Amino acid sequence: EAEVAQSPRYKITEKSQAVAFWCDPISGHATLYWYRQILGQGPELLVQFQDESVVDDSQLPKDRFSAERLKGVDSTLKIQPAELGDSAMYLCASGGRAVETQYFGPGTRLLVL
Amino acid sequence: GENVEQHPSTLSVQEGDSAVIKCTYSDSASNYFPWYKQELGKRPQLIIDIRSNVGEKKDQRIAVTLNKTAKHFSLHITETQPEDSAVYFCAAPLGDYKLSFGAGTTVTVRA
Repeated sequence: EAEVAQSPRYKITEKSQAVAFWCDPISGHATLYWYRQILGQGPELLVQFQDESVVDDSQLPKDRFSAERLKGVDSTLKIQPAELGDSAMYLCASGGRAVETQYFGPGTRLLVL
Repeated sequence: GENVEQHPSTLSVQEGDSAVIKCTYSDSASNYFPWYKQELGKRPQLIIDIRSNVGEKKDQRIAVTLNKTAKHFSLHITETQPEDSAVYFCAAPLGDYKLSFGAGTTVTVRA
């Protein structure tokens, strides 16, 4: 069964450093989502792509976060500079074109020291 | 998410008993309601979903009910087992393209 892939699984960094996370969605899925999940809370959408275009980045802190999906397949989420409050699980999900089932990757757990 | 409220936040049940989690949503146009289960340190996994053209859906020990008039939907787990212990999230569409997630319910099944 196809799954969403993410790397790295864990990342420890110091504040003010740059970090990058990678996501490879399930083949053929047009929509890709990046979520942030703080311990004890539900996933919060950061950015949503339809193919290579951003359809929603209203909750993305654009002064430090950026995301791209250049060829409409895999995607990278970057944080520069990282802050202590960015420590969280970053989940990638993919799905079809309409709002329907989203399949999550294993996530990248980020710890900022 | 601001569109979805989920209760309770924690739920402890005796093995074999039933567990019920309820979510309410605000967008009356919402038509798709998934439930995800997230075990500690693992990814959220879809366990069941329901569309607005039906009022109930069952899959073995799991069922979801939908009341569109009242704008709420519930997850029912019967004959709970220790492996049902996890965090459960409901979600509902926010607009055409987004899912808004509830804050989660931590379910603990006592042996």
